[in-house]
Formats: sequence, structure tokens, C-alpha cells
Amino acid sequence: GENVEQHPSTLSVQEGDSAVIKCTYSDSASNYFPWYKQELGKGPQLIIDIRSNVGEKKDQRIAVTLNKTAKHFSLHITETQPEDSAVYFCAASFDTGRRALTFGSGTRLQVQP
Amino acid sequence: GAVVSQHPSWVICKSGTSVKIECRSLDFQATTMFWYRQFPKQSLMLMATSNEGSKATYEQGVEKDKFLINHASLTLSTLTVTSAHPEDSSFYICSAMDGTGTDTQYFGPGTRLTVL
Repeated sequence: GENVEQHPSTLSVQEGDSAVIKCTYSDSASNYFPWYKQELGKGPQLIIDIRSNVGEKKDQRIAVTLNKTAKHFSLHITETQPEDSAVYFCAASFDTGRRALTFGSGTRLQVQP
Repeated sequence: GAVVSQHPSWVICKSGTSVKIECRSLDFQATTMFWYRQFPKQSLMLMATSNEGSKATYEQGVEKDKFLINHASLTLSTLTVTSAHPEDSSFYICSAMDGTGTDTQYFGPGTRLTVL
């Protein structure tokens, strides 16, 4: 089955700096890669996703890049703000069968004011 | 749009009792719903996949007789934890996928279960 590895497990940045979180996946058939933000005691919130026919996607301060050959994808947050502090999860799935997500282990991002 | 609700948001029960958690898609029809379990400071672990009108598919190691899943309509799936024990205490989260062909999963706010 699919295995998703996520690094780093914790990340502390100063407000205004950029943050980068990286994930690798094992199943070359995976073709959908979402990123979720989870605040304490809440459910995950989709912040951006990318499909395997696209190499990069951007939404304001958030961007995701995908390298299918290397089987890794990354989340980039620019101009970080204290409210960006949360746990971020990457995930992978493929669009056949039950399409269940396999999650990475999570990255705790702390933005210092 | 794409809102998923869960009820209750938290529940405390005695060991040996059963607890039902509801997951609803409020503004779309969910052909597929998923149930996840999350322990403190850990990732989400898929428990089962629920398709409307059919039996749920459970992940390896998840007891189907203990975690009963019913997906009776396109907007409601329920998870019943039967004969709950303290080790079942966890954060249970559902997600819903619409039938438009995209893979986007929308997550509920989660239910904190504490078994005494």
C-alpha cells in the first residue's frame, strides 16, 4: 500500500519568513496530493491540493510543488503569520478504487511573532 | 459550500456502553464517507470507507463488530462504538467525498470520545 513520509516533524519560523514542508510517497499510481491544516481540537481543513498532471499550484501565500519522477511534493508558505501556526498534514491517494487518503505524520508549524 | 458536520463534538461514556457518532454532509451529497481515528499528536489513521447503500470496507486491524458503520443516505453516515473501553478513547473524524469525480475530501470537526 501507499506510504507517505513527511518532514520536518516540527518547524519554527519568525513571522514574515517562509516555511517549507516536504513529503515523499511510495506508490507511483498516486495522483492526488492534498495538504490539510489542523488546529488543536479541530478537524483537518483543506488548504491546497495538486493533481499529478500539474507541477505547481499557488493560492495567495500558499504553493505546492510536485515532482512525479522523484515522488515528492512540498508545501510552501510565504510571509508567515502567527495564525499559520498549526499542524500540517500531507496526503496522497489515487483516483481508482476507494480513493482513500494516506496521511503523512504531520508537521507542527510555530510562527513566532 | 462543502461543509461536513459531526455530532456530538465530544462525549464521555462508561466502559461497556455504546456510543453513536453522526457525520453529515450539509450542502452536498456524499457518495463516499471515510472514518478516521486520531490519537494525541499523531496522524489520522483510516478506519473504514463507507459507501451509501452498501457495507463499509474496514482497514486491516479494525474490528468491524466493534466499530459499526452505517451509510443509510447520501448525507449521513454513523459510527457506533460498541462496548466501549478506555482504549477506545480517541478523536474520531469523518470525511466526505462528493460524487463529482474529484478526489477532494471534506473533513468534519471531529468527535472527542472519552471512555471512563
